[in-house]
Amino acid sequence: GAGVSQSPSNKVTEKGKDVELRCDPISGHTALYWYRQSLGQGLEFLIYFQGNSAPDKSGLPSDRFSAERTGGSVSTLTIQRTQQEDSAVYLCASSLETRLAGERTDTQYFGPGTRLTVL
Amino acid sequence: SQQGEEDPQALSIQEGENATMNCSYKTSINNLQWYRQNSGRGLVHLILIRSNEREKHSGRLRVTLDTSKKSSSLLITASRAADTASYFCATDSQGGSEKLVFGKGMKLTVNP
Repeated sequence: GAGVSQSPSNKVTEKGKDVELRCDPISGHTALYWYRQSLGQGLEFLIYFQGNSAPDKSGLPSDRFSAERTGGSVSTLTIQRTQQEDSAVYLCASSLETRLAGERTDTQYFGPGTRLTVL
Repeated sequence: SQQGEEDPQALSIQEGENATMNCSYKTSINNLQWYRQNSGRGLVHLILIRSNEREKHSGRLRVTLDTSKKSSSLLITASRAADTASYFCATDSQGGSEKLVFGKGMKLTVNP
C-alpha cells in the first residue's frame, strides 16, 4: 500500500511485559515520528527520526521507552516492563522533507495507530 | 511541551452552520498546520499556512493566521455530519528541531 502502516493494530499485554510496535513509513520519506495519544487527549510527541541525523528523543517519557529506525525505513518502538499508564494509542507518522524558501513545510502522513492495553 | 492550544475544546453545531476553531501558540513559527482525526486513529492533514501568509482557502476550509497574536483559526463553512471529528493544530518552531508540536485537539460534532 501507499500509506503508513502500523502493526499490530491492537495489543493487549500484562503489566511488566515488553512490547514492540512496528511502523512502516511511506517509501522515500526521510522523517519518521512516534506519538502517543491517551483516551480523549492530544498527541504527545515521543521521538523523531530525520535521515541519518541523531534522533530527537526528547519526548520519551522514561528509559523504558526506546525506538530504532533500521535502514532509514521501518521503525520499532519498544516499551519495556509495561505499566498500566502506558495504555494508549501509539501513532506513527512519516514525511518527506520539503522546503519552501528554506523553511520546512512537511506534511505528516499518519498510520492507523496501535492501541496498546496494559492489564 | 504544548505549543498549540485549540479553543473551544468541544463544539456542537447543526448541519449547514459554520464552525470556527481557534488555535493559540507560544513561540515563533515557520508554519502552522491543521489536521483532522476520526475515531481516535490516524490524523489527516487538512491545510498548511506559512508564517508570511494571513489567509488560505481549501474547499470549505478557511484558515487565518495572525502572527502578532500568535493565533490561527480554522473555519469550516456549510458543515456536514461527515465533518464530525477532532481537529488539531500543529506548529513547528523557528530554530527548533523542525518537529511539529500538536495541540490537545478540539472535538467538533455536526448534528444532522
